[in-house]
Amino acid sequence: NAGVTQTPKFQVLKTGQSMTLQCAQDMNHNSMYWYRQDPGMGLRLIYYSASEGTTDKGEVPNGYNVSRLNKREFSLRLESAAPSQTSVYFCASRLTGSENSPLHFGNGTRLTVT
Amino acid sequence: QQQVKQSPQSLIVQKGGIPIINCAYENTAFDYFPWYQQFPGKGPALLIAIRPDVSEKKEGRFTISFNKSAKQFSLHIMDSQPGDSATYFCAASTGGNNRKLIWGLGTSLAVNP
Repeated sequence: NAGVTQTPKFQVLKTGQSMTLQCAQDMNHNSMYWYRQDPGMGLRLIYYSASEGTTDKGEVPNGYNVSRLNKREFSLRLESAAPSQTSVYFCASRLTGSENSPLHFGNGTRLTVT
Repeated sequence: QQQVKQSPQSLIVQKGGIPIINCAYENTAFDYFPWYQQFPGKGPALLIAIRPDVSEKKEGRFTISFNKSAKQFSLHIMDSQPGDSATYFCAASTGGNNRKLIWGLGTSLAVNP
C-alpha cells in the first residue's frame, strides 16, 4: 500500500545545477500537486495537475517546471537551482469527483542548494 | 496576504492537557475546513474536517469548533498524549472538483510526558 512515493529523499545541489524530483501515486487519483515547505511559511503550492495532460501554476512557480507524465506520475524540475530553492518538497494527490476527498502526501524530498 | 491566519505558532502542554489551535479566515466563500497533522520527516495527513453547516465535529479525541459569524474555527485535542506531538495545519477552500487549499502557517505542538 505505497500511496504517494517521492524520490529522492535527500539531495544536495550546487547553484546552477539541475535536477528532477519524481513523484508517483498508486491510488488512481486524478489530481496531483507539488508543494514546498519552509520554516514559518507553511505549505506553498508550486504547480498542480488536475488531470493527465494538464498543468497549472500555483503560488510560487518561478524557477520550476513540471511534467504530468501519465496518470500516476508528476515530476518537478529545477532547471538552474538557486539557494532560495532550499526547501522540503512534497508531492500530493487527490481523487477529484469526490468533492471533499483529502490530499494524500508523500514523505517529501529535502533539497539543499549550496 | 495570508487568507487563513493560524495561531499560536507553537504550543507546549502537559500530558492530559487540552491544546487549542485557532484559525481565522476572511473569504466567506470558503466551504471546507480541514486540519492536517504532520509528524517529523513525514508528509501532512488529514486529521479531521468540517463544513460550515455544523458548529462542531468530533473524531475520537479531536474536535473542530466552527464559528461562522466570527469566521473562526479551532482544533481541540482532548486528553493530549506525547504521541500527539506534531505540527498541525488548518486550511480552507471553496467548492468544486479542482479544490485548492489555502493553508495556515502551522502550529508546532509538543506534549510533555
